[in-house]
Amino acid sequence: DIQMTQSPSSLSASVGDRVTITCRASQSISSYLNWYQQKPGKAPKLLIYAASSLQSGVPSRFSGGGSGTDFTLTISSLQPEDFATYYCQQSYTTPRTFGQGTKVEIK
Amino acid sequence: EAQLVESGGGLVQPGGSLRLSCAASGFTFSRYWMSWVRQAPGKGLEWVANIKQDGSEKYYVDSVKGRFTISRDNGRNSLYLQMNNLRAEDTAVYYCAREWEWEVLFHYYSYMDAWGKGTTVTVSS
Repeated sequence: DIQMTQSPSSLSASVGDRVTITCRASQSISSYLNWYQQKPGKAPKLLIYAASSLQSGVPSRFSGGGSGTDFTLTISSLQPEDFATYYCQQSYTTPRTFGQGTKVEIK
Repeated sequence: EAQLVESGGGLVQPGGSLRLSCAASGFTFSRYWMSWVRQAPGKGLEWVANIKQDGSEKYYVDSVKGRFTISRDNGRNSLYLQMNNLRAEDTAVYYCAREWEWEVLFHYYSYMDAWGKGTTVTVSS
């Protein structure tokens, strides 16, 4: 199975900050990488697919990058509604695997 | 707008069985792969299984192989997860998700773009 490792596991940031989350795959997955946002008690929401494509309706302050084994999710200017947990997920093969999550908290 | 509604969760003893259902509406169900994803209390997301549009292909995470069966009824716009021989570690919120797949030069990309609210399964004596 492909292991997905996110860093950091949590971070504290202020409104307006630029935030970057990293996701590393245990083997090359080309650009088969998606990012999701989850708020407490809610279902996950797709933000980015195929490493860098923005899902319809998602604010442009979210962006994704990378290919192969190393990927990033960047929030250019953190907004109050962005405090949540973020997960990467590979769709290169089954089982589809998620990273362990990065919790973004208010500083 | 796509809507997915899970049902069938509950409290079950170790070794017991449950059947989860997911009712889909607002989109052409038969055009999509469908997945089950679970989340144990306080933990991250874990993909459980998925099924092709016509049910001809099914895939599972190793920890549920031989115990869980995913199925679908396109006539009823419904997805199912039959869970047998349940263990304490199966305790989780179970989400169904629509999985969109597309091809680019024989490479198949996919993502889960619609999710239900989840149904809770608790395995405990």
